[in-house]
Amino acid sequence: DARVTQTPRHKVTEMGQEVTMRCQPILGHNTVFWYRQTMMQGLELLAYFRNRAPLDDSGMPKDRFSAEMPDATLATLKIQPSEPRDSAVYFCASGLAPRGRVEQYFGPGTRLTVT
Amino acid sequence: AQSVTQPDIHITVSEGASLELRCNYSYGATPYLFWYVQSPGQGLQLLLKYFSGDTLVQGIKGFEAEFKRSQSSFNLRKPSVHWSDAAEYFCAVGAPWMGNQGGKLIFGQGTELSVKP
Repeated sequence: DARVTQTPRHKVTEMGQEVTMRCQPILGHNTVFWYRQTMMQGLELLAYFRNRAPLDDSGMPKDRFSAEMPDATLATLKIQPSEPRDSAVYFCASGLAPRGRVEQYFGPGTRLTVT
Repeated sequence: AQSVTQPDIHITVSEGASLELRCNYSYGATPYLFWYVQSPGQGLQLLLKYFSGDTLVQGIKGFEAEFKRSQSSFNLRKPSVHWSDAAEYFCAVGAPWMGNQGGKLIFGQGTELSVKP
C-alpha cells in the first residue's frame, strides 16, 4: 500500500530556530504539494512542484520559508527563523498529473509547535 | 474571485440516518471536484472525484456525490451513516483549464460531522 511519508511527525522548537520538514512522495508521482493547516485559516497551499520544478510558491512567506526537491523521492520545507505564528500542521501530498487531473494523496502531517 | 463554500460548519446526525454535506463553488467553468475526509490527527483521504462524464460519482466507504452544473454544487451523500464516519469533510476544486500547469486544489473550510448513537 503506497503512502506519502512525512518526518518528523511532531516537532517542538523555540522561536528563532530552523525547522526542516521532509516528505517522501509516492513512488512514481510527479507532483508534490505542501499545505499548512490551522484552525483559523484552514488548509492553505504553500507551494507545489511538478517533476521537481516549482510551479507555484505564491502561498509561502518568502522571507522565512523555502521548499525544495533535491531528488524525486524527497521534498523539504524549511522555516528559518521560526516564529510562534508558524505553529500548525504541515501536510505534504503527492499525485500524478495527466493534463492537470491530479488526485492528491496526503501524508500524515508534521505538527509543528514554536514556543 | 474563485471560491469553494461549505455552508455547514458542523452537522450532527444519528447513526443509521442519511447524510448530505453541501458544497458550492464559484468558477467561470466546470472545475474538477473532490471530496476528502480527515479523521482527528490524520491526513486527508480522498473519498471521490469528478473530472467529467456521469454526474453521479461513487466513492469509497459508501459515499457518493452528485455534480449539478445549474446549481454549481457537488454535494456528498451517504444513505446510512456509521459512527466511524465522524470526521471532518472537505470539498475541493481544481482548474482543468490550466492543463499541464494545473493540479492545485482550492479547499473549502470543511464540515465537521458528529454521529449520535
